[in-house]
Amino acid sequence: AQSVSQHNHHVILSEAASLELGCNYSYGGTVNLFWYVQYPGQHLQLLLKYFSGDPLVKGIKGFEAEFIKSKFSFNLRKPSVQWSDTAEYFCAVNADNDMRFGAGTRLTVKP
Amino acid sequence: EAGVAQSPRYKIIEKRQSVAFWCNPISGHATLYWYQQILGQGPKLLIQFQNNGVVDDSQLPKDRFSAERLKGVDSTLKIQPAKLEDSAVYLCASSPALPGTDTQYFGPGTRLTVL
Repeated sequence: AQSVSQHNHHVILSEAASLELGCNYSYGGTVNLFWYVQYPGQHLQLLLKYFSGDPLVKGIKGFEAEFIKSKFSFNLRKPSVQWSDTAEYFCAVNADNDMRFGAGTRLTVKP
Repeated sequence: EAGVAQSPRYKIIEKRQSVAFWCNPISGHATLYWYQQILGQGPKLLIQFQNNGVVDDSQLPKDRFSAERLKGVDSTLKIQPAKLEDSAVYLCASSPALPGTDTQYFGPGTRLTVL
């Protein structure tokens, strides 16, 4: 069965710092890749997704992610974080209708 | 557009009791998912429906968990009997397209505590 690994459990940054959250998966076939975010007190919502085409995808709120097939990675980036980016971030991978989420990374942005 | 609705929002039961959760997806969404999210972990897919048919239930503990989506719209997830390790948030999600190929829209979840 496939698995999804998120390397950081908790990341603490100051405003304006750059962000990169790691995500690796174990599946050799075709995958659809997602980043979901859960802001405090809110539902899980989609940040961005990759199905095919340009491996650099842009999402909402200035986030982007790069799919590197050779590394089985789909890292999330943002050049300058804001206090409002404080949330939990989940990487998810779908292969053959098998949807798997990583354990999540809690991001705390200090004002 | 109304979002995914779930009820109840919170439930506390004792072990060996039964419990049921209800989900109403976004109107017109053919695919419905149930996830279990244990504290400190990511959501774990339990079952997914396409209309009223089961697409995948390989991770559903079928000895105690059951789910149905009889008319292809709303769905119920039942646990009978509950165990302590079932304490978790149960999330329902829906999507308009084929399973796994489109954005999933999540509901607020039901937080279950088993004592």
